[in-house]
Amino acid sequence: QSVLTQPPSASGTPGQRVTISCSGSSSNIGSKAVNWYQQLPGTAPKLLIYTNNQRPSGVPDRFSGSKSGTSASLAISGLQSEDEADYYCAVWDDSLDGPVFGGGTKLTVL
Amino acid sequence: EVQLVESGGGLVQPGGSLRLSCAASGFSFNVYAMNWVRQAPGKGLEWVSYLSSSSRTIFYADSVRGRFTISRDNAKNSLFLQMNSLRDEDTAVYYCARDVGIPYNAAFDIWGQGAMVIVSS
Repeated sequence: QSVLTQPPSASGTPGQRVTISCSGSSSNIGSKAVNWYQQLPGTAPKLLIYTNNQRPSGVPDRFSGSKSGTSASLAISGLQSEDEADYYCAVWDDSLDGPVFGGGTKLTVL
Repeated sequence: EVQLVESGGGLVQPGGSLRLSCAASGFSFNVYAMNWVRQAPGKGLEWVSYLSSSSRTIFYADSVRGRFTISRDNAKNSLFLQMNSLRDEDTAVYYCARDVGIPYNAAFDIWGQGAMVIVSS
């Protein structure tokens, strides 16, 4: 049971906008920056969003992140079939003195 | 090309030991903090350990503290994870990951392909 709560699954059709939530507490999301990772089947994770809403070079602007209080969200607009993957939020936790990951959300493109 | 390549994975009996290595190339390894992250079969990601660029600062997850030791050799552009007293629940793909460098963050921008560790009798 992760200290960060994500929905286990999400889905959308091509072109749609989908959001994935990540709920935490004051010791993590409430006080630290949130990061998001994309893991395509059979591959290593890829940094998608860092420091709440920053995109690394090469990540399309279809992907965006936001944070409010002890919750964060990843939004994907213009959904594409290649976006089908597992998505994880990650943040430093002051109580655990280390990074924690959410349980992951499996995104299906219908 | 910026790259991380893990090696040293394999099958080990419960209670045994294994040492993972991560070879870095294409960037100045000695200025980056590094991490190990693992993923049990069919499960999510779990952070394991952090090591600063100078090796002065180390963090471990509670699940491995006292059993695993992280280290690095900046002259050889290499990161290591010595795993002792292995348990069934340590079975996972182990990834080394480069830290973006923001203090108290969880941003890892470069990942290796992973090394499989299976703990089983």
